[in-house]
Amino acid sequence: EADIYQTPRYLVIGTGKKITLECSQTMGHDKMYWYQQDPGMELHLIHYSYGVNSTEKGDLSSESTVSRIRTEHFPLTLESARPSHTSQYLCASSEPTTGIYGYTFGSGTRLTVV
Amino acid sequence: QKEVEQNSGPLSVPEGAIASLNCTYSDRGSQSFFWYRQYSGKSPELIMSIYSNGDKEDGRFTAQLNKASQYVSLLIRDSQPSDSATYLCAVNNGSGTYKYIFGTGTRLKVLA
Repeated sequence: EADIYQTPRYLVIGTGKKITLECSQTMGHDKMYWYQQDPGMELHLIHYSYGVNSTEKGDLSSESTVSRIRTEHFPLTLESARPSHTSQYLCASSEPTTGIYGYTFGSGTRLTVV
Repeated sequence: QKEVEQNSGPLSVPEGAIASLNCTYSDRGSQSFFWYRQYSGKSPELIMSIYSNGDKEDGRFTAQLNKASQYVSLLIRDSQPSDSATYLCAVNNGSGTYKYIFGTGTRLKVLA
């Protein structure tokens, strides 16, 4: 079944550690996105990609980086985690005709930095 | 002014009633409008999309769009306790970059 997968689902990690949040989709979507959402708050776009080797920063300043080497894979990396990075990270993808079909979201990764 | 505005709620309605959720947006060039439902601790789930002025119905859900007034609304008929969630309005930014701007969401509580 075509879907979008995020791992890990929950992560508790110490300050200063390097972490990579995984996102993969089996729908063949060109466009992929990373959003950050604090509890009860709005979604903020932190990175997006329109295809392989295409990545852009979003509207919210973030210390994370992303890569898009394969269409189906869009990992997000934090080189040195800090408590301020504690949040929920949501990955999404969309059809080429994005204006019609909207986003499909993964289950999210809830990150806690201690 | 925020680009997409929603009343944060909570909006409380009795079971079986019609819930009306509203969203206004600032970019007149916006062309695509979406409603997502997000249960606590879960990721958003697309429930409705609308692109033309007027109403669009899907089961118990009706989306309404008025581009002249720059608002989009979601009606939920025969509300059920399982409809209790946060409803997010999303609008494309009108510049063709395929990025959506999300509102802060309206929390709906359907009382049994």
